[in-house]
Amino acid sequence: AQSVTQPDIHITVSEGASLELRCNYSYGATPYLFWYVQSPGQGLQLLLKYFSGDTLVQGIKGFEAEFKRSQSSFNLRKPSVHWSDAAEYFCAVGAGDSWGKLQFGAGTQVVVTP
Amino acid sequence: EPEVTQTPSHQVTQMGQEVILRCVPISNHLYFYWYRQILGQKVEFLVSFYNNEISEKSEIFDDQFSVERPDGSNFTLKIRSTKLEDSAMYFCASSSSPPRSYNEQFFGPGTRLTVL
Repeated sequence: AQSVTQPDIHITVSEGASLELRCNYSYGATPYLFWYVQSPGQGLQLLLKYFSGDTLVQGIKGFEAEFKRSQSSFNLRKPSVHWSDAAEYFCAVGAGDSWGKLQFGAGTQVVVTP
Repeated sequence: EPEVTQTPSHQVTQMGQEVILRCVPISNHLYFYWYRQILGQKVEFLVSFYNNEISEKSEIFDDQFSVERPDGSNFTLKIRSTKLEDSAMYFCASSSSPPRSYNEQFFGPGTRLTVL
């Protein structure tokens, strides 16, 4: 069965510092991978997605993610964090044989300090 | 920018009562979804809906749950007899393309359901 693991429940980062959020997946075929962000009181907003092709994916708000098949990972990165990046981040995988069912990781709460 | 809206933002109900959670998907979208997130747990898929039919449902989506598109704009989730364990944040989502094309699912802000 497919699964998504986000090992870090909570990360604190200083404004201007780099950020990397980890995501590992378990899935038999090539997965469809997503990163969503949820700010307080808001819905889930898509940051970026990977279906195929270039394994380095650029997203909105200056985020990027790299798909590494050998490590079953899809880590999210941002070179310089802004205070507005404080939010909860979810990695999700979509199964190729499913009608759009997304399976989410547990989420990583990011706190940005001055 | 078009967005998915959900009402109410917070619903408190007594155990055993029926609740209806409402969603207005983006207007030209054809594929609709419900997810839920119990506090401290993962976001879980409940059901997908297309062409007035359920396309897929999870094991969570038992006979107590139903979905409906009563008109051209609303998409509802009904829980017939709520249980304490139904307390969660419920998210509605919609997309314009078939799921196998993996176009983006747009999520609403959620309805927090509290069952007392």
